[in-house]
Amino acid sequence: DAGVIQSPRHEVTEMGQEVTLRCKPISGHNSLFWYRQTMMRGLELLIYFNNNVPIDDSGMPEDRFSAKMPNASFSTLKIQPSEPRDSAVYFCASSYQAGNTDTQYFGPGTRLTVL
Amino acid sequence: DAKTTQPPSMDCAEGRAANLPCNHSTISGNEYVYWYRQIHSQGPQYIIHGLKNNETNEMASLIITEDRKSSTLILPHATLRDTAVYYCLSVVYGAGSYQLTFGKGTKLSVIP
Repeated sequence: DAGVIQSPRHEVTEMGQEVTLRCKPISGHNSLFWYRQTMMRGLELLIYFNNNVPIDDSGMPEDRFSAKMPNASFSTLKIQPSEPRDSAVYFCASSYQAGNTDTQYFGPGTRLTVL
Repeated sequence: DAKTTQPPSMDCAEGRAANLPCNHSTISGNEYVYWYRQIHSQGPQYIIHGLKNNETNEMASLIITEDRKSSTLILPHATLRDTAVYYCLSVVYGAGSYQLTFGKGTKLSVIP
């Protein structure tokens, strides 16, 4: 099993540019999560999907952020336009939710630097 | 979801048991206690979880007090590779909602 795959692993861009982060969840998992980690705020849940449907996006910081999951094997997190304060490590995680328990498996993360 | 409180850092000698405490005094009856760890800047890794009973797997043991207000993660024989930040979470599942909050965790340093 390849685990959760994220791309790119590193992204450096300039303020105002559009950034797209990609995630391929573990095959068979029905839930997908996007997190952001910074030194100041720690690990924050941004949005999660269940069966490709966004369930809770209350963690998305503002309208510049959007996430999609067009099918069970692919999700994107887009920032447009990007700002220096968006610099962080973005993690994608997936899980198979059964009953009241599940385990999230995290990808290696994308380190985003906005200049 | 209940707020969890953990010490910011701990040291443990290599080969000894590492006991990491977590306080979750406001936990409700349907909230699970989960533990994850994060090594360097890798993605967090699941360790163990429980509701009321003590749990053990190949990585660790989880001891939950009878009143469920606190728990302890035990790494029975800590190695240098166990140096990481350990997060204690309370997780509740509601209709259409998934509450998961990572605190600052405990930075465990395993010393040779």
